[in-house]
Amino acid sequence: DQQVKQNSPSLSVQEGRISILNCDYTNSMFDYFLWYKKYPAEGPTFLISISSIKDKNEDGRFTVFLNKSAKHLSLHIVPSQPGDSAVYFCAATGGSGNTGKLIFGQGTTLQVKP
Amino acid sequence: DTAVSQTPKYLVTQMGNDKSIKCEQNLGHDTMYWYKQDSKKFLKIMFSYNNKELIINETVPNRFSPKSPDKAHLNLHINSLELGDSAVYFCASSPSRINTEAFFGQGTRLTVV
Repeated sequence: DQQVKQNSPSLSVQEGRISILNCDYTNSMFDYFLWYKKYPAEGPTFLISISSIKDKNEDGRFTVFLNKSAKHLSLHIVPSQPGDSAVYFCAATGGSGNTGKLIFGQGTTLQVKP
Repeated sequence: DTAVSQTPKYLVTQMGNDKSIKCEQNLGHDTMYWYKQDSKKFLKIMFSYNNKELIINETVPNRFSPKSPDKAHLNLHINSLELGDSAVYFCASSPSRINTEAFFGQGTRLTVV
């Protein structure tokens, strides 16, 4: 049972345009959401996060939006750069007895074309 | 200066062998994790330790045994390796079990032949 889903396995955008990566979740107990970026042969690196009490968090070119009623979050990258080409994982955590466990989506491969 | 380092990066071994993967973090974090990324690229948690105490033990075969000699180290020992154990194993750490902005190691690609 996949509690966090990234339904688009891949996304291709032109340099300078906006990249929008989507993530859906099913567990209403999740209260903290994170995005990780992963290059080949490296571990995931933390990118940006959002608490369930907010609907938006911005950090430079990266903005995460949370729609709790739809159980949906998205990561916007503006403007996209070739160095942003990587696999992006959405993750969620929280609920009673929170142990810090991250539940990951299956990832979206972003390709930014020069 | 690597924050979370795991060794080896690559490990090829035969079925039935016993192997260990080591992980060390120099971030002063209290909580450490082992995640497994399977052939379908899903990242799933296996274990978590908080100050050397086991707090998460997902449905993992008991051939997998984590060991935390101190809060900066979390090693993973695997007995009687099977073909299905082939995967990339990631160690991670976070400041606490509540603060879950985890930092990951570079991964260990285990191939069982």
